[in-house]
Amino acid sequence: GQQLNQSPQSMFIQEGEDVSMNCTSSSIFNTWLWYKQDPGEGPVLLIALYKAGELTSNGRLTAQFGITRKDSFLNISASIPSDVGIYFCAGQLGGTASKLTFGTGTRLQVTL
Amino acid sequence: DAGITQSPRYKITETGRQVTLMCHQTWSHSYMFWYRQDLGHGLRLIYYSAAADITDKGEVPDGYVVSRSKTENFPLTLESATRSQTSVYFCASVAMDRDRKVRGNTIYFGEGSWLTVV
Repeated sequence: GQQLNQSPQSMFIQEGEDVSMNCTSSSIFNTWLWYKQDPGEGPVLLIALYKAGELTSNGRLTAQFGITRKDSFLNISASIPSDVGIYFCAGQLGGTASKLTFGTGTRLQVTL
Repeated sequence: DAGITQSPRYKITETGRQVTLMCHQTWSHSYMFWYRQDLGHGLRLIYYSAAADITDKGEVPDGYVVSRSKTENFPLTLESATRSQTSVYFCASVAMDRDRKVRGNTIYFGEGSWLTVV
């Protein structure tokens, strides 16, 4: 099946720092999605991207749909303790959620 | 606003036993999914269902059975549990949009079921 490589796998940062993570694929997607998963919970959608080159923000979060359609980036500015969690990228082909492929996740830990 | 609920939340079972994980959603969403989450693999699709009595295999279906006799319920059964099935299982649901597409940006996940097979 398709593989989504997400990096870094984990990161420790200090409160107030900016965070960057990315996701690369061996094939193209029509939609890129970024989810956050808090401990003991299911993933929750943060940002959805629908067009190559698209740059979308949600508060302190900004995500971009790569021009090649094979990658996506998520940036978090001025991190705060509640940003702790696992961030997943997901690529979707066509309009069916059964074709949603998830990345392996980036675990973010924020120190005061 | 109950949303999507899974039970049990935590389960320990022995190798060879049958285990059923329940999933219930109150939105009447047409599509439902079962994923498993393992370290280093992210979320992988086990089975999905487009409507009552319609199910299809996902990426990792072996060793699992599903049924969908009612729209709101989508149980996942491990017929003979193995240690490799120790995982966190997530149920999810999504409605079909006006274009009759099922978009990942409207998928809702349950809180997860932690299963340990010893």
